[in-house]
Amino acid sequence: EAQVTQNPRYLITVTGKKLTVTCSQNMNHEYMSWYRQDPGLGLRQIYYSMNVEVTDKGDVPEGYKVSRKEKRNFPLILESPSPNQTSLYFCASSINRVLSSPLHFGNGTRLTVT
Amino acid sequence: KNQVEQSPQSLIILEGKNCTLQCNYTVSPFSNLRWYKQDTGRGPVSLTIMTFSENTKSNGRYTATLDADTKQSSLHITASQLSDSASYICVVSGNSLSGGSYIPTFGRGTSLIVHP
Repeated sequence: EAQVTQNPRYLITVTGKKLTVTCSQNMNHEYMSWYRQDPGLGLRQIYYSMNVEVTDKGDVPEGYKVSRKEKRNFPLILESPSPNQTSLYFCASSINRVLSSPLHFGNGTRLTVT
Repeated sequence: KNQVEQSPQSLIILEGKNCTLQCNYTVSPFSNLRWYKQDTGRGPVSLTIMTFSENTKSNGRYTATLDADTKQSSLHITASQLSDSASYICVVSGNSLSGGSYIPTFGRGTSLIVHP
């Protein structure tokens, strides 16, 4: 089944403790991206990747890192999480950067930073 | 700055009724506009895509329209069902060939609740 898989689904951590949220897609998509979703603000793009070893900042990249060493994986790294990074995170992929095909989203990771 | 504005922010209707959601955008140059449905606790799922030359497109009980001149789109839901309760998100992608950005711009969504 074609899908985008995020792990974990729920994560509670403390300020400053490094964490990684994994994202994997099995559709051989070139384009992958990360979003955070907050009440009243909608989805905001954190980082995106057009292909292996090609990443770029989205609208809200501060406090986040990403890497794209393999086509299927696009992990999101929080080196020193802070409470304002408490949010619902989504990973998505698409065939290419032009987005003539839809974004396929994972089911989200709900992160709480205390 | 590219922007996508959706209205209303929230909407409550009775099962069986029709409704229309609005999306206004300033993204230029324009490539395509998608409507996504997001069920509670799930990732968004694409309902339909509109390109510059398309005015209307249907997907079952969902009908999307696009007026590229006024930069407006609407999503009409016919004979609503309880399962239509969700957030509906308008996403506009630009055209990088003309110097624009292909990075998608997201609206904040319309929360639809369908009551029995």
